[in-house]
Amino acid sequence: SAVISQKPSRDICQRGTSLTIQCQVDSQVTMMFWYRQQPGQSLTLIATANQGSEATYESGFVIDKFPISRPNLTFSTLTVSNMSPEDSSIYLCSVVPEGVGWNTEAFFGQGTRLTVV
Amino acid sequence: SQQGEEDPQALSIQEGENATMNCSYKTSINNLQWYRQNSGRGLVHLILIRSNEREKHSGRLRVTLDTSKKSSSLLITASRAADTASYFCATNAANSGYSTLTFGKGTMLLVSP
Repeated sequence: SAVISQKPSRDICQRGTSLTIQCQVDSQVTMMFWYRQQPGQSLTLIATANQGSEATYESGFVIDKFPISRPNLTFSTLTVSNMSPEDSSIYLCSVVPEGVGWNTEAFFGQGTRLTVV
Repeated sequence: SQQGEEDPQALSIQEGENATMNCSYKTSINNLQWYRQNSGRGLVHLILIRSNEREKHSGRLRVTLDTSKKSSSLLITASRAADTASYFCATNAANSGYSTLTFGKGTMLLVSP
């Protein structure tokens, strides 16, 4: 299993500013995943963050808007840059524990509820 | 990428009744997972069913998988008010990175006392 501490749990930000979300995992993992959940919607994968390499972004998401850092095997940050009201969402980080093969569950942080005004 | 579809989008039942949620997907999978989300918080894993399995149980949960129809169902028996939450299916596609999940749109379940 894995326990993820995600901060902040919520924030209200002014448009044009940036917010950095942090995720700390209690064990070492190669990949961390960042998701966005728009109001009333499902989760959409933003990017996969590997330690020691650039993050891999999904279609529709770009590094300039969502820069990601992965300085070590237990920590990652996602920044939401130059925010607009359309960025108001819940952002979640997730990991899958190492060494357990293909069929294993994912663990999630508690999410960051972002409101941009 | 594939997109799971759950139905119904919302379900309202009384305590003690059973709740059934369905999920459909589009491509071959390694496994299908069900998650629960309370009030827009983090997701909690409920159950995972592998592509070569047809049915799985965990407590009051029963999951079925029909790979020929690319569909799954989650049954919650003897529901409780505390089961009120959103439920999502997520698939691990056969040709994706092993940890990548694609989530369905979710079913919002309301269980009234």
